[in-house]
Amino acid sequence: AQSVAQPEDQVNVAEGNPLTVKCTYSVSGNPYLFWYVQYPNRGLQFLLKYITGDNLVKGSYGFEAEFNKSQTSFHLKKPSALVSDSALYFCAVRDARTGTASKLTFGTGTRLQVTL
Amino acid sequence: NAGVTQTPKFQVLKTGQSMTLQCAQDMNHNSMYWYRQDPGMGLRLIYYSASEGTTDKGEVPNGYNVSRSTTEDFPLRLLSAAPSQTSVYFCASSLSYEQYFGPGTRLTVT
Repeated sequence: AQSVAQPEDQVNVAEGNPLTVKCTYSVSGNPYLFWYVQYPNRGLQFLLKYITGDNLVKGSYGFEAEFNKSQTSFHLKKPSALVSDSALYFCAVRDARTGTASKLTFGTGTRLQVTL
Repeated sequence: NAGVTQTPKFQVLKTGQSMTLQCAQDMNHNSMYWYRQDPGMGLRLIYYSASEGTTDKGEVPNGYNVSRSTTEDFPLRLLSAAPSQTSVYFCASSLSYEQYFGPGTRLTVT
């Protein structure tokens, strides 16, 4: 079985400050890891993924995430937050051994609130 | 490309009614998925399809049915609506790793 934990329901940060949204995962094999963002009344948008290779992956809108195998974590980061980054963020995991239909397991989401 | 489209955007049903949520994608993706999103529970997989002609159950399939007769379309049928099916429903598609989501259907069952 695979699972994702996002320990914070909400993260508050001031504009211009760095932000971190935490994610830990559990999977039997090697993980494929993803971050998605959801703006109000919209579908989820793909931000970035870790499949293999460099542990630091860069994605859309200046976001990056660091894969840490020993801590089974995949925290989302951004050096300087913008008010427009305020949204709901989901971490997701898939076991690399599964087939082409990528059954993702999502976390419960973290609401990011960036204030002036 | 329109990407993943879903209709309707909003729907209100009475208990016991049936309906079909439509999902279409124009990216020639092999795999398609249906999720429901409930507050505090993230997204839960209802059904998925690895390719045209195949479907498999996800985490919460009870009360739903799907078919995949074309690559483009993946309709979700509610057989006999119940208040517990009040939710936001998202369809998604993928070719390899990441999934692409539609805008969602907000369903209320009274």
